Amino acid sequence: GAVVSQHPSWVICKSGTSVKIECRSLDFQATTMFWYRQFPKQSLMLMATSNEGSKATYEQGVEKDKFLINHASLTLSTLTVTSAHPEDSSFYICSVRRAEDSPLHFGNGTRLTVT
Amino acid sequence: AQKITQTQPGMFVQEKEAVTLDCTYDTSDQSYGLFWYKQPSSGEMIFLIYQGSYDEQNATEGRYSLNFQKARKSANLVISASQLGDSAMYFCAMRERWDYGQNFVFGPGTRLSVLP
Repeated sequence: GAVVSQHPSWVICKSGTSVKIECRSLDFQATTMFWYRQFPKQSLMLMATSNEGSKATYEQGVEKDKFLINHASLTLSTLTVTSAHPEDSSFYICSVRRAEDSPLHFGNGTRLTVT
Repeated sequence: AQKITQTQPGMFVQEKEAVTLDCTYDTSDQSYGLFWYKQPSSGEMIFLIYQGSYDEQNATEGRYSLNFQKARKSANLVISASQLGDSAMYFCAMRERWDYGQNFVFGPGTRLSVLP
């Protein structure tokens, strides 16, 4: 069965608004979750590592103030795209892993379109 | 420098035939992991197979097998008896050490089309 639940699957919003994406670990407690972004016909790029109870670690070039990550519990991490612009339109997908040497398990992703 | 290279942007295979998707990687770590994921048009990322750097035998999972050649730093995915449902993007990934732990790096992907 599914290990990770991500919501919503798709969202269309107007430029300037904020969008929140939820990622839930369903069957184990995840102290760390990973947020990726995928542009059309491209590969996955890590945006940030979400850490339960502490600040997220952002990759170089990812704006912390634009992509707010909150990992408030061991089963939930949220990514908020603030003041979204058309260039933020992308596929956002979260993932978890059970242990250091385990594979990543992904949510179904969220397709964001900013008009 | 690109850590994961997949030289085939697109591949075609006839249904029921076998196909090999190429993947080469670059790392100076002694301990690392290699993974293959399938991404259908729906967007989900499906884990297929894993090979640890210290594993002496090639990994197999059903119709999937990983041809691991450590000296050449290659980890090719072999899909036997292709099915129409195998049509998807396939990503090779490597788990490597990061400043704050471990991270996965994904290759550019190969789009596989299975022909009836």
